[in-house]
Amino acid sequence: AQSVTQLDSQVPVFEEAPVELRCNYSSSVSVYLFWYVQYPNQGLQLLLKYLSGSTLVESINGFEAEFNKSQTSFHLRKPSVHISDTAEYFCAVSHYNAGNMLTFGGGTRLMVKP
Amino acid sequence: EAGVAQSPRYKIIEKRQSVAFWCNPISGHATLYWYQQILGQGPKLLIQFQNNGVVDDSQLPKDRFSAERLKGVDSTLKIQPAKLEDSAVYLCASSPLAGLASGEQYFGPGTRLTVT
Repeated sequence: AQSVTQLDSQVPVFEEAPVELRCNYSSSVSVYLFWYVQYPNQGLQLLLKYLSGSTLVESINGFEAEFNKSQTSFHLRKPSVHISDTAEYFCAVSHYNAGNMLTFGGGTRLMVKP
Repeated sequence: EAGVAQSPRYKIIEKRQSVAFWCNPISGHATLYWYQQILGQGPKLLIQFQNNGVVDDSQLPKDRFSAERLKGVDSTLKIQPAKLEDSAVYLCASSPLAGLASGEQYFGPGTRLTVT
């Protein structure tokens, strides 16, 4: 079985400040890792994913996440946030042979203040 | 391309009543998922279909929940009878068969169910 822990339920931050949303997972087998974002009144959207290769992955809107196998972490970072980044962020894992079934963390609400 | 459609967007019912949710996945997507998202928690998978067959329904409370995917396209999720703890957002997602290993699922806007 696998599980995902998002250590912070809410992260308030001022505009243009850096932010890190933490994600740790546990699994006895190799996993794929994802960050999904849910903007207010919208569905979940894939932000970025790690399948293999380079442990640093980036999104088109400036977010990045680094897979750390030894620490079983996949933290999400952005060097300078915008008001429009206000949303709920979900970390998720899937198992290589589990038919793409996702296990989600509890979510982190990012609140960007002017 | 059109996204995943769900209806209704909101539903309020009394406990012990029944309710049904509808999902239309992205055209051509073979795999369809239903998730339950309780307030303050991440989505939890209820059932996964591949075409019109069930891949996994191990977390579906089968005494009251049922789901079907007729003709491998649209899907309905039913709760009968509803309990207070069923209050949640019910999310539908789909993915193409080729995307199974990549983890990318496309989510609908969800149906917010309130059971009073």
